[in-house]
Amino acid sequence: GIQVEQSPPDLILQEGANSTLRCNFSDSVNNLQWFHQNPWGQLINLFYIPSGTKQNGRLSATTVATERYSLLYISSSQTTDSGVYFCAVEAPWGDDKIIFGKGTRLHILP
Amino acid sequence: EAQVTQNPRYLITVTGKKLTVTCSQNMNHEYMSWYRQDPGLGLRQIYYSMNVEVTDKGDVPEGYKVSRKEKRNFPLILESPSPNQTSLYFCASSFGTGGEEETQYFGPGTRLLVL
Repeated sequence: GIQVEQSPPDLILQEGANSTLRCNFSDSVNNLQWFHQNPWGQLINLFYIPSGTKQNGRLSATTVATERYSLLYISSSQTTDSGVYFCAVEAPWGDDKIIFGKGTRLHILP
Repeated sequence: EAQVTQNPRYLITVTGKKLTVTCSQNMNHEYMSWYRQDPGLGLRQIYYSMNVEVTDKGDVPEGYKVSRKEKRNFPLILESPSPNQTSLYFCASSFGTGGEEETQYFGPGTRLLVL
């Protein structure tokens, strides 16, 4: 099946820093989503981005489908950005399964 | 308020005692799904449903059952729970009809401990 790898696994940054999180996938995908899991366990969708670039405030994402990767950019990090960031893909085989990466744990220091 | 609800939020049970975790959404979503989250493994899909009476296995369906008799509800059933099913469980839903409609919305999670 399709493999989804995220890097780095852990990231510690000072408040105000910028960061780039990466998601690589091993095959073509129907869709790709980024999620943030906050320290209380809540999962929030950030972007639906099977291709192209989107921006939402300090966050932006770019997916290059032909090269099978997606990047999530966080600028001017705040402590509320802490948590785990997941990317998830749907394989293009018509079975509608969703595969998650193992996530990047981000810790923003005040 | 548009939301996905799960009950119970926390559950401690013993091996072999059947249990059901309920999931309900009020967004008229077609697609519903169950995941389990374990340390170091991320989220893994257990079962999903594209519509009423249509369910399919995800990556880790063993030991679980689901049903989709109504559009809004998608209960997860553990007929004979075992300690390896101790985990954090999430229900999610989406319109599932392509494009931005694929965006998933997650419930708050159910933390299950099987002794």
